[in-house]
Amino acid sequence: EPEVTQTPSHQVTQMGQEVILRCVPISNHLYFYWYRQILGQKVEFLVSFYNNEISEKSEIFDDQFSVERPDGSNFTLKIRSTKLEDSAMYFCARTSEGSTEAFFGQGTRLTVV
Amino acid sequence: EDQVTQSPEALRLQEGESSSLNCSYTVSGLRGLFWYRQDPGKGPEFLFTLYSAGEEKEKERLKATLTKKESFLHITAPKPEDSATYLCAVQAPPGGYQKVTFGTGTKLQVIP
Repeated sequence: EPEVTQTPSHQVTQMGQEVILRCVPISNHLYFYWYRQILGQKVEFLVSFYNNEISEKSEIFDDQFSVERPDGSNFTLKIRSTKLEDSAMYFCARTSEGSTEAFFGQGTRLTVV
Repeated sequence: EDQVTQSPEALRLQEGESSSLNCSYTVSGLRGLFWYRQDPGKGPEFLFTLYSAGEEKEKERLKATLTKKESFLHITAPKPEDSATYLCAVQAPPGGYQKVTFGTGTKLQVIP
């Protein structure tokens, strides 16, 4: 059973449209993260979320991005106005307090056309 | 700026042929170095965390070691199921634990 489930597995959207990527941690954890991986490139940190607040974010995570945990279980990444360069795999991950072992989801492949 | 360089980019081994993957890093004050395995189309799978030079960790056929400038992932007598991309990542101040910098990975193929 996966530790983290992401939906959808693949999303195609038109440039300028808003997308919401979802992550459902199976267990009740406090620490969540989003990463992205552009095809053929390295995994890049986007944002970390602790106790329902953003704790850190990278330079990539600009005003077009937002995260929230709207209902206490789902953890979402929203991209307000997608660009072609947002096309990538987006991974959600979680850790437990005091642990460095991160569990990643299977990812959402976002294709912006 | 933190930098992580992995070599080789790709490695092809015969089953049973042991080898090592390298991860060279340049950070100011390493807090942790992570190794992950990534299968095609999937998320990274955590393998190890190393914190200080001289530290070693093992898991099945894998052994990770750390010096002040690099880490090695030794694969002993690999099997075809070890085929994957192996990622190295480092974490250094001022970032928190998962604000890590990843390398581009080493793609390992083990031939039966």
